[in-house]
Amino acid sequence: EPEVTQTPSHQVTQMGQEVILRCVPISNHLYFYWYRQILGQKVEFLVSFYNNEISEKSEIFDDQFSVERPDGSNFTLKIRSTKLEDSAMYFCASSEGREAFFGQGTRLTVV
Amino acid sequence: AQSVSQHNHHVILSEAASLELGCNYSYGGTVNLFWYVQYPGQHLQLLLKYFSGDPLVKGIKGFEAEFIKSKFSFNLRKPSVQWSDTAEYFCAPFDSWGKLQFGAGTQVVVTP
Repeated sequence: EPEVTQTPSHQVTQMGQEVILRCVPISNHLYFYWYRQILGQKVEFLVSFYNNEISEKSEIFDDQFSVERPDGSNFTLKIRSTKLEDSAMYFCASSEGREAFFGQGTRLTVV
Repeated sequence: AQSVSQHNHHVILSEAASLELGCNYSYGGTVNLFWYVQYPGQHLQLLLKYFSGDPLVKGIKGFEAEFIKSKFSFNLRKPSVQWSDTAEYFCAPFDSWGKLQFGAGTQVVVTP
């Protein structure tokens, strides 16, 4: 069964460093998403991506965040200069338009 | 504005008790409805989903949910919970613009 895969599963980075979280969506899907979940809190929407551009973004998704679909298969989330409060689980999802399928997440720890 | 509301943030109950978690949404157009579960330390898993048709949908592990269009509700139920149902449960409408929005979640603790 097709699935969304995310790498790495866990990343530790120093404050101020750039990180790139990678996702491989399901191949025939057209919509792509990033969500994050700070420990003990709810799942928050960050950004949606359709037709090679951002279709919607939340207030959380400020200038330090960017997304890219560099090669038609990967879907990446870049955080330019990480802060301690960026520590969270980041989930990628893809959709054919009716249902979202989630990856297993990347746990980002900023120290 | 689109919104989703889960009524209970924290529920504690004993094994074999019945569980009902409330979810209300506020969306203008067509919406598909989902419940996700997150077991301690694990990722999100789909519990059940509703697209159309029979408003009573059955999911995994004995869970079911009822869509009541007039009340904009999609409540989750399980007649008899087990200790292994201890988890966080998220209601998540998926709107016609392709956005999945999560409720705040309900932490369910089942005591032996």
